[in-house]
Amino acid sequence: GNSVTQMEGPVTLSEEAFLTINCTYTATGYPSLFWYVQYPGEGLQLLLKATKADDKGSNKGFEATYRKETTSFHLEKGSVQVSDSAVYFCALKAGYGGATNKLIFGTGTLLAVQP
Amino acid sequence: EADIYQTPRYLVIGTGKKITLECSQTMGHDKMYWYQQDPGMELHLIHYSYGVNSTEKGDLSSESTVSRIRTEHFPLTLESARPSHTSQYLCASSEYNSGANTGELFFGEGSRLTVL
Repeated sequence: GNSVTQMEGPVTLSEEAFLTINCTYTATGYPSLFWYVQYPGEGLQLLLKATKADDKGSNKGFEATYRKETTSFHLEKGSVQVSDSAVYFCALKAGYGGATNKLIFGTGTLLAVQP
Repeated sequence: EADIYQTPRYLVIGTGKKITLECSQTMGHDKMYWYQQDPGMELHLIHYSYGVNSTEKGDLSSESTVSRIRTEHFPLTLESARPSHTSQYLCASSEYNSGANTGELFFGEGSRLTVL
């Protein structure tokens, strides 16, 4: 079946450090891949997405590349800020149309950035 | 910015009470979802709906029920709350997935329920 595995947290970094949060997936067909972010006390927001192999999603300095050969969608940012502290979720949606629009989420990775 | 709203944001109630968590969206989305989020952050889909008069159970069994009488409204009800129902409940909506539409989800801010 379809599944998402992401690295366990918490990840603690100093401001301006480089960030990588690993995400790998198992899926049939050609899934779409997403990163969502959840700031403290809020719901989830879409951070970026990629819909086909070799696509790069990017937003707010974050980026992730859809790698079909390694079934990965790692999240990266060159220089993190304190305001990036949040929980990050990797997710996939199976690559077929129809009524089932269910996303499959990873377990979430807590990022804490210290000044 | 997503237009999906949940009330109440926080609720503390005693065991045995009936509660309803409200969720409304103004985007005209057909699909709506309820997720339960553990203290450990993991998300579990408990209910979803394809449209008016459609409701389905999600991947995690839940004692809650839902209804979808109007497109914009998807309330969740617990007839008799227990401490094991203490959790954060997140509502979401999406467009119908077709063609290039990737069907991303838009989330409300969540309702944090504590049952004493």
